[in-house]
Amino acid sequence: GAVVSQHPSWVICKSGTSVKIECRSLDFQATTMFWYRQFPKQSLMLMATSNEGSKATYEQGVEKDKFLINHASLTLSTLTVTSAHPEDSSFYICSARVGDRGRQPQHFGDGTRLSIL
Amino acid sequence: DAKTTQPPSMDCAEGRAANLPCNHSTISGNEYVYWYRQIHSQGPQYIIHGLKNNETNEMASLIITEDRKSSTLILPHATLRDTAVYYCIVGGTSYGKLTFGQGTILTVHP
Repeated sequence: GAVVSQHPSWVICKSGTSVKIECRSLDFQATTMFWYRQFPKQSLMLMATSNEGSKATYEQGVEKDKFLINHASLTLSTLTVTSAHPEDSSFYICSARVGDRGRQPQHFGDGTRLSIL
Repeated sequence: DAKTTQPPSMDCAEGRAANLPCNHSTISGNEYVYWYRQIHSQGPQYIIHGLKNNETNEMASLIITEDRKSSTLILPHATLRDTAVYYCIVGGTSYGKLTFGQGTILTVHP
């Protein structure tokens, strides 16, 4: 149980294009999903918290107009990297929490490796 | 959320128990201890979590000291596939946000 699916796994695109990444909870409903970014040999950094039916909460230093998050249903959140540039190349990972209580563990997708040329 | 301290790396022989320590001396009363691991180029995998009692599941055991200032994750019979970065995280409040540190690189040797 508690499977989180992320798509696509890899994406390579030209500078200036926008890229959408999907995060789905397959066997549970997730009112809250989280988006992380991980650079090589570094730990995960939380970018934003996505709540179903409301605006995402972004961490300090994360540009909300650059990283658009939509959480339109209880099983799907999307992250769109707008006008991507080479410095946006990274490993993007989503997670979802089972249930509403903060203590419930997060379950993670397998990540999306984004390369901007 | 409270901060954790973990050794940067550890080695373990295959088949032996791997004991991964974590210090969280500033943990507050309602914060949980979570353990995740990340194998190269994959998303983190949830292992176990606990509040104050010791916990065990099919993957591992979690031992939390009585003062809750430290904990140990135990993999009872380590295999080569357990080689990964192990993260100890304290949280569970603040809408469930988790703050990842640098973790412990566990290398299991044949």
